[in-house]
Parts: sequence; C-alpha cells; structure tokens
Amino acid sequence: DAKTTQPNSMESNEEEPVHLPCNHSTISGTDYIHWYRQLPSQGPEYVIHGLTSNVNNRMASLAIAEDRKSSTLILHRATLRDAAVYYCILGSSNTGKLIFGQGTTLQVKP
Amino acid sequence: DTEVTQTPKHLVMGMTNKKSLKCEQHMGHRAMYWYKQKAKKPPELMFVYSYEKLSINESVPSRFSPECPNSSLLNLHLHALQPEDSALYLCASSQGDRRNTEAFFGQGTRLTVV
Repeated sequence: DAKTTQPNSMESNEEEPVHLPCNHSTISGTDYIHWYRQLPSQGPEYVIHGLTSNVNNRMASLAIAEDRKSSTLILHRATLRDAAVYYCILGSSNTGKLIFGQGTTLQVKP
Repeated sequence: DTEVTQTPKHLVMGMTNKKSLKCEQHMGHRAMYWYKQKAKKPPELMFVYSYEKLSINESVPSRFSPECPNSSLLNLHLHALQPEDSALYLCASSQGDRRNTEAFFGQGTRLTVV
C-alpha cells in the first residue's frame, strides 16, 4: 500500500490561510488523494478528494502536484473550529482501501 | 440521512466475554469498513465489505469476526479479547464504486477490555 507523509503539527492564526502539505511519492495511477479531519472524540470527517486536477469545495481546496507525488490542503480562512487532526489518505479505486497517514495536528490561535 | 450510526457508544467487556458492535447506514452505500484507532494514532483498517462480501481482511486476529447481514448493517463480533484490544472502533461506509467517493464515518464505539 502506498503511504503518505505529513508534518506532525502546524499552527495558524485565526482568519489566515493554512496550507497543509502531504507527500505520497509511491502513489499509483489509480489512487485518489483524500483529506479527512478528526476532532477530539469524533469520527473522521470528509474534507475533499481528487485524482489529478485541483479541486475546490465549500470547506477547502486541494492542490495536486503535476507528478501527483505531493498535494496541499488549503483552508482559505482558518477558524477556531478548524483545529483538528488532518489526515492525508490514499484511496485505492482498485481495492477500496482508505489507508490513513499519521496526520497533522492543526492548532488555530485566536 | 447521511449518518453512520454505531452502537453501543461505550463497551466494557471481560476477556472471556462475547460481545458485538453494530453499525448501520441508510445511504445505499455498498462498501463498509471497520477501523481500529488507538489513542493519538491514526485509524487502522481492519476489514472492508463490498456488496455484502468480505473483500479485505488486514490480517486481523480471529477473535474479531465481521459480519454483513445486509447492505445497511455491519457487525463486529468480539470474543476472547485482550486488554491491548481496547481502542475506538470506527465504522465507515462509501458508495463503493470506482469513483472512490467520500466515506462517512460513525462516532465510534469506545471499547475497554478488562
């Protein structure tokens, strides 16, 4: 299974943009890049996913490198409610597996 | 309804007990998952069901036995567990097609083995 590498933790100020990086150098051509986040005592929550092109939704944007070996989750204006563990995950369209990386703990300062 | 419902929320069991965790979704999803999460660690995939058939078993010990009685329900039967099996058990579901759409997670069952 291909793996992802993320920084252990990041800090941001409230209402500033946040860029969360993820490396996935062994990604296969059929793997999708997913991002989920998990607040304390809750199950993971879907944020965004993509295959090759950059993606935008109401929560965030996903920028995928041209070679697909890395990606960046962009929160355009961080709020205190965005403080969570953010997981970069490779989802195999062949096997259906969603394998979590170690995650980045995001702290948002007022 | 975009919920995955897991019961019970908390469970304490002895090492000789038999118990079951339940997971239910009514989104018409055909893929369902069990994950195990230890404190301050990422969720670890245990099982994947696709169209009610077990498609992936990540070398999980036989004291964990999954079951998918129908397309809406997923059970995890527990027997002769060890204290190190104490963890948050998460269920998830997704459409299960090759578009690899989003997965919805339940709130989990916090299991303590004594």
